[in-house]
Amino acid sequence: GENVEQHPSTLSVQEGDSAVIKCTYSDSASNYFPWYKQELGKGPQLIIDIRSNVGEKKDQRIAVTLNKTAKHFSLHITETQPEDSAVYFCALSRADSSYKLIFGSGTRLLVRP
Amino acid sequence: DTGVSQDPRHKITKRGQNVTFRCDPISEHNRLYWYRQTLGQGPEFLTYFQNEAQLEKSRLLSDRFSAERPKGSFSTLEIQRTEQGDSAMYLCASSRPWRDRVYNEQFFGPGTRLTVL
Repeated sequence: GENVEQHPSTLSVQEGDSAVIKCTYSDSASNYFPWYKQELGKGPQLIIDIRSNVGEKKDQRIAVTLNKTAKHFSLHITETQPEDSAVYFCALSRADSSYKLIFGSGTRLLVRP
Repeated sequence: DTGVSQDPRHKITKRGQNVTFRCDPISEHNRLYWYRQTLGQGPEFLTYFQNEAQLEKSRLLSDRFSAERPKGSFSTLEIQRTEQGDSAMYLCASSRPWRDRVYNEQFFGPGTRLTVL
């Protein structure tokens, strides 16, 4: 079945630096790529998403890029703040009957003050 | 918009007991999903409802698991004869109808954490 590889599994950055998380996939029928932030004891929160007809999308300090040819997409967080510390998951879905999400294994981001 | 709610937030049970969880989706969302998340992993899809119809089930959903959405609003997930391997966070998500431009977006509830002793 579809599988999403996410790297790195942990990432530690100094406050103010940038953080980049990358995911690769194999199913070329995938057409929707969201990113979720999950804090301890909470459900995943949608922070940004991109559809396959777009190469890049930005929302304030967060941006996502998609390379359909190479089958990878990345989350970029600039000017990181301690409150950005959380686990981040990439996911994808294809245009089938359910649009169910397939998730990566997560990246634990720590922003050091 | 009150968000997706789940009840209970935590459940501790003994092996062999039955448990039932409830999910209330966002009111205008007609599509509802259940996922399971174990420690250190991403959520895994269990099942999907469009209105009251259960349209897809994962191979992860053994015959001890059953889900319903009788009136197309709230949903329940029941696990019979629980096993220690069922310990996980059970997450519910909902999304808008296909006619909506942002139909892909899934919004998650806080989850129900199940511990089977």
